[in-house]
Amino acid sequence: QVQLVESGGGVVQPGRSLRVSCAASGFSFSSYGIHWVRQAPAKGLEWVALISYDGSDKYYADSVKGRFTISRDNSKNTVYLQMNSLRPEDTAVYYCAKSLVDWGQGTLVTVSS
Amino acid sequence: AILMTQSPSSLSASVGDRVTITCRASQGIRNDLGWYQQKPGKAPEFLIHAASTLQSGVPSRFSGSGSGTDFTLTISSLQPEDFATYYCLQDYDYPWTFGQGTKVEIK
Repeated sequence: QVQLVESGGGVVQPGRSLRVSCAASGFSFSSYGIHWVRQAPAKGLEWVALISYDGSDKYYADSVKGRFTISRDNSKNTVYLQMNSLRPEDTAVYYCAKSLVDWGQGTLVTVSS
Repeated sequence: AILMTQSPSSLSASVGDRVTITCRASQGIRNDLGWYQQKPGKAPEFLIHAASTLQSGVPSRFSGSGSGTDFTLTISSLQPEDFATYYCLQDYDYPWTFGQGTKVEIK
């Protein structure tokens, strides 16, 4: 069955960087686009980014454009979200999702001094 | 970015009630709209795509309708497991955007 496992979350100071990962299994990874969606504590869902099946197309929310970079390694069935210049308002659970149908369990990123 | 506005932001209902949630887009999005259900501490679950097509395995008491700017999610007879927060998502144009959510609580 489809499985998506996020990792790499943690506590980071404002202005620093962090990379979260999404390891996929149970489907033909190189055939699907993968999204990142985040949810700040007690808040709603916010779509963050999408990478196409082959990595050739990438799209971002206005709130992260220029600071976050999505990438993928199809040989490792893994998608990454590189987050630079982090702000307290980036604190959230970060979910990856296959075509926004199948979701991982999320990884918590806390930006705090 | 396209703004998605859901109403109400919360509602109280009883088991067996018919519940309707609306979602309005700031511009026309054809039928490029999905609905998600989220329970506390869990990842969202995909309910409906293309405004009205039920995802496999989703109970038939859920239905969606609408096109253009106005959409609805209806639960025909609310069940105990349906108490959750519901979100709409437009996938018409990037950046994709969610509504702010509607929390369905027990009366």
